[in-house]
Amino acid sequence: QSALTQPASVSGSPGQSITFSCTGISSDDGVDNYVSWYQQHPGKAPKLVIYDVSNRPSGVSDRFSGSKSGNTASLTISGLQADDEADYFCSSYSDSSPYVFGGGTKVTVL
Amino acid sequence: QLQQSGPGLVRPSQTLSLTCAISGDSVSSNRAAWNWFRQSPSSGLEWLGRTYYRSKWYFDYGVSVESRISFNPDTSNNQFSLQLNSVTPEDTAVYFCARTIDDSSGLAYWGQGSLVTVSS
Repeated sequence: QSALTQPASVSGSPGQSITFSCTGISSDDGVDNYVSWYQQHPGKAPKLVIYDVSNRPSGVSDRFSGSKSGNTASLTISGLQADDEADYFCSSYSDSSPYVFGGGTKVTVL
Repeated sequence: QLQQSGPGLVRPSQTLSLTCAISGDSVSSNRAAWNWFRQSPSSGLEWLGRTYYRSKWYFDYGVSVESRISFNPDTSNNQFSLQLNSVTPEDTAVYFCARTIDDSSGLAYWGQGSLVTVSS
């Protein structure tokens, strides 16, 4: 069982926006912003799309945005495109590990 | 860029060894941390540990493997390696090396992944 909880699947049509959550984020001071999101296509390595809750790495589309409220983080993908179809994992900090992950959300573009 | 290498099949009770070769960066960077993860259908993504250099080398290991894991940063060859001892079939997974983004915990650079099967 994963330390963080994500919905198993989310779907949307091209051009739509989707938002999905990740619960169980640490609220401890100093580490509560250590939230990252990763996109993973089948057979590929994860790709960082959001770090420190809402920052985008260089080269990542601004269609990806992140936020956090309390112990829940969220990832929004706007203007959904076919290539966005992938698994998405959230990651946060815990007392036992600097990286704990959610079980992943499968995004399907209809 | 991170390039992984190592055997894809390891016998039970033996040692799993993987290497992550670094290009375009330095394993001794004082702004990065070098991590190993693994991913399996049964356990999902799991952090195994990290090493980083801040005037000296530091090592942190995951609780589930800390008794049988070690990392070796190799400054001569600009790479770092993973050794996992006494493997069992439960260690079968895809293993990834990864580097943090500068001065943050986000994992911006990943190796290509190595499927390691533990079987006799």
